[in-house]
This record gives sequence, structure tokens and C-alpha cells, in this order.
Amino acid sequence: GAVVSQHPSRVICKSGTSVKIECRSLDFQATTMFWYRQFPKQSLMLMATSNEGSKATYEQGVEKDKFLINHASLTLSTLTVTSAHPEDSSFYICSAVPTTDRSGNTIYFGEGSWLTVV
Amino acid sequence: LAKTTQPISMDSYEGQEVNITCSHNNIATNDYITWYQQFPSQGPRFIIQGYKTKVTNEVASLFIPADRKSSTLSLPRVSLSDTAVYYCLVGDSSGGYNKLIFGAGTRLAVHP
Repeated sequence: GAVVSQHPSRVICKSGTSVKIECRSLDFQATTMFWYRQFPKQSLMLMATSNEGSKATYEQGVEKDKFLINHASLTLSTLTVTSAHPEDSSFYICSAVPTTDRSGNTIYFGEGSWLTVV
Repeated sequence: LAKTTQPISMDSYEGQEVNITCSHNNIATNDYITWYQQFPSQGPRFIIQGYKTKVTNEVASLFIPADRKSSTLSLPRVSLSDTAVYYCLVGDSSGGYNKLIFGAGTRLAVHP
């Protein structure tokens, strides 16, 4: 099946620094990708919708200047957590919709990226 | 406002059939129903998707009544490795793509 890869799978950064997480669709093109955040024992929370070649659409309550999303190509979206703080420590997951899927019902998820801010 | 409602947790034993029911009273005409499985520290994994009636694949069956206000995921003969969180989602297909909003999910524990 289709593969969505995230990198890094785990990252530790110091408080106040920025960290970038990549989401790649390995064998398909994706005009639309989604970014989620998941705290331990909780469900996934949709943060934003990433659209290739245009600005991301953020969910209510998600700071767009804090979580920068760049979808520069049809196979890559990046999430940059700027000026990270310990409360940003979480599991970040991306998903991608193949461009060929007109219904938008086929969605593939990445393996997730653990961010720990110390 | 949650679009789906599922039991928070369920327990079962190896070899039993497990049925997890999800309520989605406000499902829209264009919405599909999709179930995902998630293990700790992994991304969700697609299990099955359907629009109406019954869908079956190699791992599960999905039963959807005519009014589509609920659905039931059926896992035949579960094993210990089926211990996971199961999410029922209905897509928000406005905007031309399916924006998946996750509910709380059902934590399934399979015991020996």
C-alpha cells in the first residue's frame, strides 16, 4: 500500500529553539496533507490542512505563527515548531490524500514523530 | 462537537468476535465511514471503509444500517495483537477533500 514517511521519528530539542518535522508521500503525489498532534492517552487533534502551493488552513486554536507549515511539493509537507516549549512536547502525525483520489476518501497516515522539548 | 460516539473501552478474549459500534447521527449524504486502528506511538492504520450496507475485507467487516446513523466494526477471532485503539470517523468532505476529525476512540484490550 501507499507509504507516508515522517522524519525524524524522534527528536529532542531545547526550549526556545525551532524544530522541523517532514512528511513525505513516498509512492504517490499528495495535493493535500494533514497535521495532527496527539498527547499521551488522548486522541489525535487536527492542527492544520496543508495544501501544495498555497497557505495552510489552521484549525481553531492552533497558532499559525507557532506551527509553520510548508507544502512546497506534491510529496513533501513540513511542520516547523517555532520557539518550542515543553508544552509542545507531543506526538505529531501527518496524513496525505493521493492526488488521484477525487473523492478524498483515501487517506494514508505517517508513522508519527515524537517531539520532546527540554 | 464530536461527530462520532464510541464506547471508551472494551475487553475481550482471544478467539472471540468483537463488535464495536459507533454512532454518527449527523452523518452527511456524502460522508463515508472509516475505521482506523492505532497502536501506541504509531500512526493510525486503515482497517475498513464503507458507505452503506456491509463491507468485508481480510481483517474486518463493517455493518451500516440503512439510516447510516451508526456503524459496527466486527473483528472476527481477535488475538492479543488486536489490542489497540479503534477510531470510527466520518469524513467532512466539504472543500473537496476528506478532513478527518478523530473522536475519543475505543480502547480494546484482548486478554489471553
